[in-house]
Formats: sequence, structure tokens, C-alpha cells
Amino acid sequence: DQQVKQNSPSLSVQEGRISILNCDYTNSMFDYFLWYKKYPAEGPTFLISISSIKDKNEDGRFTVFLNKSAKHLSLHIVPSQPGDSAVYFCAAFSQGAQKLVFGQGTRLTINP
Amino acid sequence: EPEVTQTPSHQVTQMGQEVILRCVPISNHLYFYWYRQILGQKVEFLVSFYNNEISEKSEIFDDQFSVERPDGSNFTLKIRSTKLEDSAMYFCASKTDRMYNEQFFGPGTRLTVL
Repeated sequence: DQQVKQNSPSLSVQEGRISILNCDYTNSMFDYFLWYKKYPAEGPTFLISISSIKDKNEDGRFTVFLNKSAKHLSLHIVPSQPGDSAVYFCAAFSQGAQKLVFGQGTRLTINP
Repeated sequence: EPEVTQTPSHQVTQMGQEVILRCVPISNHLYFYWYRQILGQKVEFLVSFYNNEISEKSEIFDDQFSVERPDGSNFTLKIRSTKLEDSAMYFCASKTDRMYNEQFFGPGTRLTVL
């Protein structure tokens, strides 16, 4: 089941630069998308979300972009900080179901 | 800030034994979930629970699994006869209502089946 895919298992970015994490989906029934951040030995922490009726949502240093025609979303973090080092999961949701469908995650490392 | 809590943080059990994983969702939330993550794999949905009944379950959630909300605060996942492949992190999550899509996760219980 590859309905949500994060093709980059890892990403390394210099502190202060922009981090861009990507996510693709195949199910056109998805109408809400979320990004979660996860530290080792902790549960996923909700970061930011976007509805399919929007193409951008911003919250401080975090911006999520949605391209519905390409079935692609991305998370931009700017400027990147060392505390942003974590695994980032993209998740998708459809109103007809109640479950989140997760991608495989991307491990982001911010280098000082 | 309210948070989802889970106990125990780590459970070790012998194959064939029953385990109960416990969760206390955020107090005004109405929808409850269990997910699991096998080491190195995706976070996978197991079951959703609303109004004291299962609203959706995955193919993983077979007859060996059950969920219960025994009182007004706890939400439990029971595995009747554990198998080696049940070893995983189990996450409980909750959300306020149907129109609000953000689910909030607990810290997880690491289940190790020997």
C-alpha cells in the first residue's frame, strides 16, 4: 500500500538554510494533509496541515504547499534550526474514512 | 497543554500471552485511534473508535485484537495471544470531533514479543 510516499529517506541541511521535504500521494479521495514530526522514543507531534481547497498554509517557520494536479505536497522550514532535526511524516486523510495514511518518513538533519 | 498518555512505555511478553496497552486520550476528544509502527516501517492504522464502538479497522486488526473504553478516560488495546510479529511501537491518538482532522498522538508503548 503506497498511497502516500516520501521518496527521500533522509535530508541534510545547513542551519539557517531552507529545508524542503516532499510527499506524493496517489489516492484522489484524500482531502486533508498533515505533517508530523517525530523524535526517537516519542510519538508523532502534529506540525501543520492543509485542506485540499487551499494550496498553501503557513505557520511561523513552517509552510506547506499543495499541488493537487500533481498530487504532491511539500513542507518548507525556513530558517532551519538544530532542533528541527527529527523524522518528518506526511499523512493524508479523507472525510469518508477516519484514518490517517502515513508516508515512510524523511529523517531531517540540521547541521550547525 | 493537554496530551495523550500511554502506559506502559515498554512491555515485554512471551509469545501467546495476552497484553493490554493503555491510553488516556485528551479529555474533550471524542475519536480515538490505535496505530502501530514496526521497526523501520510506516506508521499503520489499526482501528478507530467513536461513541463506544469501532468505526473502522484495518486488515491487521483481526480477532486477536480488541479495543475498549472501560470508563470515561481510558482507552485500551488488547492483544489476546501475541505473536512475534506483533512486536512494534503502538501509538494511541485522539481528536476532538469529526470535522477536526488533526489527531494527537501519545508517546507510544514499545511491545516486545519473545
